[in-house]
Amino acid sequence: GAVVSQHPSRVICKSGTSVKIECRSLDFQATTMFWYRQFPKQSLMLMATSNEGSKATYEQGVEKDKFLINHASLTLSTLTVTSAHPEDSSFYICSARKGARNTEAFFGQGTRLTVV
Amino acid sequence: GQQLNQSPQSMFIQEGEDVSMNCTSSSIFNTWLWYKQDPGEGPVLLIALYKAGELTSNGRLTAQFGITRKDSFLNISASIPSDVGIYFCAGSPGYGGATNKLIFGTGTLLAVQP
Repeated sequence: GAVVSQHPSRVICKSGTSVKIECRSLDFQATTMFWYRQFPKQSLMLMATSNEGSKATYEQGVEKDKFLINHASLTLSTLTVTSAHPEDSSFYICSARKGARNTEAFFGQGTRLTVV
Repeated sequence: GQQLNQSPQSMFIQEGEDVSMNCTSSSIFNTWLWYKQDPGEGPVLLIALYKAGELTSNGRLTAQFGITRKDSFLNISASIPSDVGIYFCAGSPGYGGATNKLIFGTGTLLAVQP
C-alpha cells in the first residue's frame, strides 16, 4: 500500500507564533508532495507543490513567505505557517505522489490548525 | 484557484438506493479521480480513470471518464450507511510534470438513512 502520515493531527497555537506540519510517505519515495488547505464544508484548494531538493511552486494568491515549504528528502515535506493569524485556522492536508507520471496521489490524514 | 463543478451538492437517501453524482470542467482533463472524505480525515482514493470513455468499477462503485474529457460520473449502487461522507472528483490536465497537479471538485455530501 501507499501510506502518507501527517503530524500533528491537531494543533492550537497563539497568534504570532509559527507552526510546523510534517508530511511523510512511509512506504514509498515521493518526488512530489502537494499541500492543500480546506475550509469547513469546502473543497481542497491547492496551496503549493513541493519538489524534493528544489523550491516549492506556489499557487496564485498563496504567500510563500508565510507558508514555508521544505522538501528535504524523498519521504518528508514540511509546511511552516509563520506568524500565524486566526484567519490561518484551517484543515491542512498533504498528499504524496508515487512516481513522476502517476497521478494517483495519496493523502495524509490532515492537520487541524487553530490559531487563538 | 480553479475548481471543478460537482453536482449535486448534497444528497439524502434511504439505504439501498442507488446514487449518481457528476463533475464537469470547462477544460479538458486527461485523468479523473474520485475520492471519499470522512470528517477530520484526508481523502481516500476510490477510483482512477485514465482514458476517455473508460468505465471502471470498484465494488458497488462505478465511475466513467466522459467522452468529451470534460466530465466524469460516479455511481454507487445499493447504498449502505457507511457510504456517508463527502465525495470529491479530481482532475488533472496532464500526465506528468507541472501539469500533473490535481484540481478538486466542489464535493457532494452523501447522507444515508438506515
